[in-house]
Amino acid sequence: KQEVTQIPAALSVPEGENLVLNCSFTDSAIYNLQWFRQDPGKGLTSLLLIQSSQREQTSGRLNASLDKSSGRSTLYIAASQPGDSATYLCASNNYGQNFVFGPGTRLSVLP
Amino acid sequence: GAGVSQSPSNKVTEKGKDVELRCDPISGHTALYWYRQRLGQGLEFLIYFQGNSAPDKSGLPSDRFSAERTGESVSTLTIQRTQQEDSAVYLCASSLRWDSGNQPQHFGDGTRLSIL
Repeated sequence: KQEVTQIPAALSVPEGENLVLNCSFTDSAIYNLQWFRQDPGKGLTSLLLIQSSQREQTSGRLNASLDKSSGRSTLYIAASQPGDSATYLCASNNYGQNFVFGPGTRLSVLP
Repeated sequence: GAGVSQSPSNKVTEKGKDVELRCDPISGHTALYWYRQRLGQGLEFLIYFQGNSAPDKSGLPSDRFSAERTGESVSTLTIQRTQQEDSAVYLCASSLRWDSGNQPQHFGDGTRLSIL
């Protein structure tokens, strides 16, 4: 059964810093991996989806990478802004299973 | 176009009552998912509908939980004889067929359920 973990659980950085969020999964037979952000009291907003055949995806200041062999994905945020403050979740979609979510990383970007 | 819509946004009810939560997926999305998120915790998968196929109910925590979906439209999640541990945010998501080009999930804002 797939297990997804995320480190760190929480992160606080000053505005302008580049940062990396980590996601690990135990079963490398994934169909895709998706990164989301969740603002307090809100649902999840999809940020990036990486297919199993891809190694990375980019959208603006966000770059997500995928290394299936090591069971890892990273979300890189460049030039962080206070508006980036949220909880970031990764989720794996495995063949024959449903999406399995990590517990999230709570990010605070200080002005 | 409209996103995933959930109602009510908040629900407070007494222990032992039945509750019904509603999800309107994005038009054209054949896949629909229900999740539960307890305070400070991650998302727990509950149930998955894909078109007219039999739903995947493997995540439902007890027989007090049930969900229905008519075709590719609205879904309702029903919790009977609610217990305090049912208090959580219930999130709904939809996507195009999961096996057609790696389609992302789109989430509603959830229903915050509080059992007194």
